[in-house]
Amino acid sequence: SQQGEEDPQALSIQEGENATMNCSYKTSINNLQWYRQNSGRGLVHLILIRSNEREKHSGRLRVTLDTSKKSSSLLITASRAADTASYFCARGGSNYKLTFGKGTLLTVNP
Amino acid sequence: DVKVTQSSRYLVKRTGEKVFLECVQDMDHENMFWYRQDPGLGLRLIYFSYDVKMKEKGDIPEGYSVSREKKERFSLILESASTNQTSMYLCASIPSSGDTQYFGPGTRLTVL
Repeated sequence: SQQGEEDPQALSIQEGENATMNCSYKTSINNLQWYRQNSGRGLVHLILIRSNEREKHSGRLRVTLDTSKKSSSLLITASRAADTASYFCARGGSNYKLTFGKGTLLTVNP
Repeated sequence: DVKVTQSSRYLVKRTGEKVFLECVQDMDHENMFWYRQDPGLGLRLIYFSYDVKMKEKGDIPEGYSVSREKKERFSLILESASTNQTSMYLCASIPSSGDTQYFGPGTRLTVL
């Protein structure tokens, strides 16, 4: 069952703007991960935040986690045309399985 | 770097054919996964394997089987392909010591 749901489904911004994507989930997590997928390709891991963490940074990426609201957000700052891709959140449970959401399609216009 | 490879990028088969999708990882990962990805549905787990010769059903195993005879290789089998199995198939692996999955490039399967 899919328990990670991204919002919005699609986002279109101009180069240089920030992009924010949100993810909600329904059950408890060990961690929350974000992946990126370029068109027609495999997924690439971006960042992981553990259930006892509230915020994490990696380069132009900032992830927040609110376990009380069962939600996470991914912020991409100073976006570039090369950031155009689909972004997925994935709930990590007690085993090695991940439960993915349906993704947000981000388009960054030059 | 971890490398996960899949045998084909694109595959076209006919209804009723037996189809094999192969996935190989080169980092000695214990755990391997098969997903299918469809527009509007995201990634759905078909089968996964924690070790050689071990397999467990995911969320949508119907119409599929798997084989894991060697640690590095995880095969997805469509016993009798149907048009509703037209999809993008993604393989992933993860070590038992890790948290993140490493994905192959995907196989886009079309069943006519």
